[in-house]
Amino acid sequence: SAVISQKPSRDICQRGTSLTIQCQVDSQVTMMFWYRQQPGQSLTLIATANQGSEATYESGFVIDKFPISRPNLTFSTLTVSNMSPEDSSIYLCSVEILAGVYEGTDTQYFGPGTRLTVL
Amino acid sequence: LAKTTQPISMDSYEGQEVNITCSHNNIATNDYITWYQQFPSQGPRFIIQGYKTKVTNEVASLFIPADRKSSTLSLPRVSLSDTAVYYCLVGDPEGGKLIFGQGTELSVKP
Repeated sequence: SAVISQKPSRDICQRGTSLTIQCQVDSQVTMMFWYRQQPGQSLTLIATANQGSEATYESGFVIDKFPISRPNLTFSTLTVSNMSPEDSSIYLCSVEILAGVYEGTDTQYFGPGTRLTVL
Repeated sequence: LAKTTQPISMDSYEGQEVNITCSHNNIATNDYITWYQQFPSQGPRFIIQGYKTKVTNEVASLFIPADRKSSTLSLPRVSLSDTAVYYCLVGDPEGGKLIFGQGTELSVKP
């Protein structure tokens, strides 16, 4: 597995501002992802953070709204830009750990999440 | 796009066995099925994963039939601390994306 930390753990922001969320992993990983979890809902993939290149966004998410950085194999940031109350959610980063010789398949592990409230 | 169906909620009592089924009638052929547990204000925690038949670890068992159109997470002898939301995660056959189920909120009562 991996130890994943996120900063901040929670924040309350004003409409129209931006917030950058940091994700730090205790080991080098190839695949890092950003998810959104709206209140009472399941997780929705925002994008895959690619090291050394632009992130790959899922349908419904765009770079201008959710710019992502991935400067190295242990760190990524997600920015929520020009926020509105509809952006109030939990934002989670996850990493994919490659399967060992005796394991089934690659597995995703999640950070603790960042709870964002936009007023 | 792969579609999943889980019961929205389930109730149980301490010491009982709980089985949560996720139906997924169109998933990627080569991907494993994974289950996660999530407590309030925390990220999902990996429980178990499998491809076919039965997998067991120290916390749960996972049953997957040969057609892989469903999977059942089995929690033996639940305790109050097992109260959480449980998600299945499957692979979409088109595009390689992973899809989370809607989640099942399990409530364990004394």
